[in-house]
Amino acid sequence: QVHLLETGGGVVQPGGSLRLSCAASGFTFSNYAMHWVRQAPGKGLQWVAMIPNDGKNTVYSDSVKGRFTISRDNSKNTLYLQMNSLRTEDTAVYYCAKSDCNSVDCKRTDYWGQGTLVTVSS
Amino acid sequence: DIQMTQSPSTLSASVGDRVTITCRASQSISKWLAWYQQKPGEAPKPLVYEASKLERGVPSRFSGSGSGTEFTLTISSPQPDDFATYYCLQYLTYPLTFGGGTRVEIK
Repeated sequence: QVHLLETGGGVVQPGGSLRLSCAASGFTFSNYAMHWVRQAPGKGLQWVAMIPNDGKNTVYSDSVKGRFTISRDNSKNTLYLQMNSLRTEDTAVYYCAKSDCNSVDCKRTDYWGQGTLVTVSS
Repeated sequence: DIQMTQSPSTLSASVGDRVTITCRASQSISKWLAWYQQKPGEAPKPLVYEASKLERGVPSRFSGSGSGTEFTLTISSPQPDDFATYYCLQYLTYPLTFGGGTRVEIK
């Protein structure tokens, strides 16, 4: 069955960097677009970024554009989120989610990981 | 950006009551709406896509309807496991945007 496991969360100071990983199994990772979604403590869900199966034409929310980079390694079945210039408002649980098809138009998600907590604090 | 407004923000219901949650979009999104269920400490679980199609394994007591700008999620006879927070999501266009959530509590 589909399994997504996020790792890499932790505590980082404002202005710092962190890289999240999402290890995928149970499906052909290279055939599907992937998304990152986050949830601040006690708050709602916010979409962050997406990447098509070929890694090109990525899309970002305005709140992270220029600071975060989504990427993937299809040979390792792994999705990444490189987060730079972190702010206190980036504190959240970060979820990776599988899309239901392969291109930039694939906006529906059908499986989610359990999430990893990122805390930005001095 | 398309704004998604959910109502109510909190709802109290008894087991077996009919529950209806509404989601309104700031512009037409056709049928491109999904619903998610989230329990404390867990990841969101997809329930409905394309406004009315149930994800695999979702009980038939859940149903979604609507198109354009107004959508509803109905739980025909909520069971104890259904008391959770529900979110709508528009996926017509980027950025994808979620509603603020509806917490369904046991009365």
